[in-house]
Amino acid sequence: AQSVTQLDSQVPVFEEAPVELRCNYSSSVSVYLFWYVQYPNQGLQLLLKYLSGSTLVESINGFEAEFNKSQTSFHLRKPSVHISDTAEYFCAVRDPSAAGNKLTFGGGTRVLVKP
Amino acid sequence: GAGVSQTPSNKVTEKGKYVELRCDPISGHTALYWYRQSLGQGPEFLIYFQGTGAADDSGLPNDRFFAVRPEGSVSTLKIQRTERGDSAVYLCASSSTGANVETQYFGPGTRLLVL
Repeated sequence: AQSVTQLDSQVPVFEEAPVELRCNYSSSVSVYLFWYVQYPNQGLQLLLKYLSGSTLVESINGFEAEFNKSQTSFHLRKPSVHISDTAEYFCAVRDPSAAGNKLTFGGGTRVLVKP
Repeated sequence: GAGVSQTPSNKVTEKGKYVELRCDPISGHTALYWYRQSLGQGPEFLIYFQGTGAADDSGLPNDRFFAVRPEGSVSTLKIQRTERGDSAVYLCASSSTGANVETQYFGPGTRLLVL
C-alpha cells in the first residue's frame, strides 16, 4: 500500500521569508502527485499537481513543487510567503495504474505565517 | 456552477445511533469519493463511486459503514451503531471524466461528533 510522509507537522515562518514543505511517498511505480491546501474554516483546494512531463510544477499563487523520482519526493516551496498563506497543506499520491482514483494523503503540514 | 455541498455541516449524535451524511457533487461529475479526516490527520479514503456503483469500497472500516448513490448524483454515507471513534470530519469529493479527471473537488465536510 502507498503511504505519504510529511515530515513537518508545523512550520512557523515570517512573512516574506521562504518556506519548504517536505513530502515523501513510498511507491515503486509511477504516481500522480498533488498538493492540496486547506485555509482556516474552508475545504480542501487543489494547489498543484504532477501527472507527467516537466518535473517542476507551479501554482498561480507562487508555489512550486518538484517531482524527484529517485528520492520519491515532491517538496513544495515558495520563495516569499504572505500572511494569507497561513493554512494546512496536504501532499497526496495516486497510483494511475490502479483501478479507481483514490488519493492517499499525508498527515498535513500546518504553516503559520507571522508578521 | 456550485461546488460540492455537504449536509449537515455539523452532526452531534449519541453512541449507538444511526446517522446519514449527504453529499451533492458538482453537476455532471460522474465520480464521487468519500474520505474521513480524523483530528490532526490527513484525509483517509473510504469509498469511490463511478456513476451509481461503488467501484472501490476498500476504505470502509467495517460493515457499520455503507454508502449509496442511487441515481448517480447525490450520495449518502450511512453509519450504523455509531461509536465515539467515528468522530471525524467526513469529506466528499467529485471529479469529471473529461480532461481534468485527475482533479478532485472537495466539499466543506460534515463534522461528526459521537458522544
